[in-house]
Amino acid sequence: NAGVTQTPKFRVLKTGQSMTLLCAQDMNHEYMYWYRQDPGMGLRLIHYSVGEGTTAKGEVPDGYNVSRLKKQNFLLGLESAAPSQTSVYFCASRAGGPWETQYFGPGTRLLVL
Amino acid sequence: AQTVTQSQPEMSVQEAETVTLSCTYDTSESDYYLFWYKQPPSRQMILVIRQEAYKQQNATENRFSVNFQKAAKSFSLKISDSQLGDAAMYFCALHSGGGADGLTFGKGTHLIIQP
Repeated sequence: NAGVTQTPKFRVLKTGQSMTLLCAQDMNHEYMYWYRQDPGMGLRLIHYSVGEGTTAKGEVPDGYNVSRLKKQNFLLGLESAAPSQTSVYFCASRAGGPWETQYFGPGTRLLVL
Repeated sequence: AQTVTQSQPEMSVQEAETVTLSCTYDTSESDYYLFWYKQPPSRQMILVIRQEAYKQQNATENRFSVNFQKAAKSFSLKISDSQLGDAAMYFCALHSGGGADGLTFGKGTHLIIQP
């Protein structure tokens, strides 16, 4: 039982390049989330999904797209990376109601030059 | 919009002593949940404790307890018998019924444990 995994762990991009971050969970959770963490800040919600085939915008969705074609995977895409997207990205999943624990992945560190 | 404020960027405590981390929040919802997460240098986010707003009794998990003051919108974390392994960033987080489904985090408090 691996929990929540993220691929890759670290990536360097040039401005304008695209990439996809992959989040996978093996706990059969319905809810999945993408957050970003910047220095001196808490985590901020980018996008989330309440079930397979659904996605919704969070607090800071601009410049990102997401897809949840399979229940266990939640992909975060950057179509044209910008230096402002340099951050640590965390994926999380949750089984049911909002009182339940969100389980976080180990994070992906992204540097956009 | 909901907000979470942690006014202490850094706290320091002697090993075996007690420390309290502060958190205030704002939401217009009556149904909400509060959490404390710990982030050690490994960056892994770990749930420490949670509190349902409708429960008056303060939550406790071993050495960790909260002081939930609903009217004051305050949710502080008390760590008793501090241990070296408690050194980490601590984030207060809120989930409320309206708007996006997800957590709103404070900026965090860096806790240092002095041996």
